[in-house]
Amino acid sequence: GDSVTQMEGPVTLSEEAFLTINCTYTATGYPSLFWYVQYPGEGLQLLLKATKADDKGSNKGFEATYRKETTSFHLEKGSVQVSDSAVYFCALGAQKLVFGQGTRLTINP
Amino acid sequence: NAGVMQNPRHLVRRRGQEARLRCSPMKGHSHVYWYRQLPEEGLKFMVYLQKENIIDESGMPKERFSAEFPKEGPSILRIQQVVRGDSAAYFCASSPPGASRDEQFFGPGTRLTVL
Repeated sequence: GDSVTQMEGPVTLSEEAFLTINCTYTATGYPSLFWYVQYPGEGLQLLLKATKADDKGSNKGFEATYRKETTSFHLEKGSVQVSDSAVYFCALGAQKLVFGQGTRLTINP
Repeated sequence: NAGVMQNPRHLVRRRGQEARLRCSPMKGHSHVYWYRQLPEEGLKFMVYLQKENIIDESGMPKERFSAEFPKEGPSILRIQQVVRGDSAAYFCASSPPGASRDEQFFGPGTRLTVL
């Protein structure tokens, strides 16, 4: 079945550092890909999405590109802030989303 | 436009009791999904419903769990005779009909603790 593998955490960075969180997937067909963010005690918020190969999703300085050849959807941000501290989930699918295990990110001032 | 609403936010039950979790989708959304998140894990799909219909329940445990989305009122996830292993965060999501269906909006979750 479909699956998502994320870079294991936790990840700790200093403010203004460059961020990459790796995500690879296995799937039949060409599903939509998503990054969700979860702040402490809250539900998931959609951060960005891409619906077909070579699409780039972007939001709040975060970017991810749908790479069919490497089955990847890595999340990047050029300069992180303390407020970016959260758990990040990569996911794929349509009606039934398949999630990675999540990567906890902590940004220190 | 209010977001997806779930209640209660926290629920404590003793083993053998019943747990009822409620989800009100966003206005105009006719699709509801339930997911379960165990501690330090990602979310696992449980069930996908439209009004009065279960579309996909492939992630639901075979026993004790049921879900409904009636014509009027919220969607309900019901867990009978709870056990300690049911302790988790249960998230509801909704999506609109049509082409934007793949974008799901999540509620804040219900954290169930079974004593």
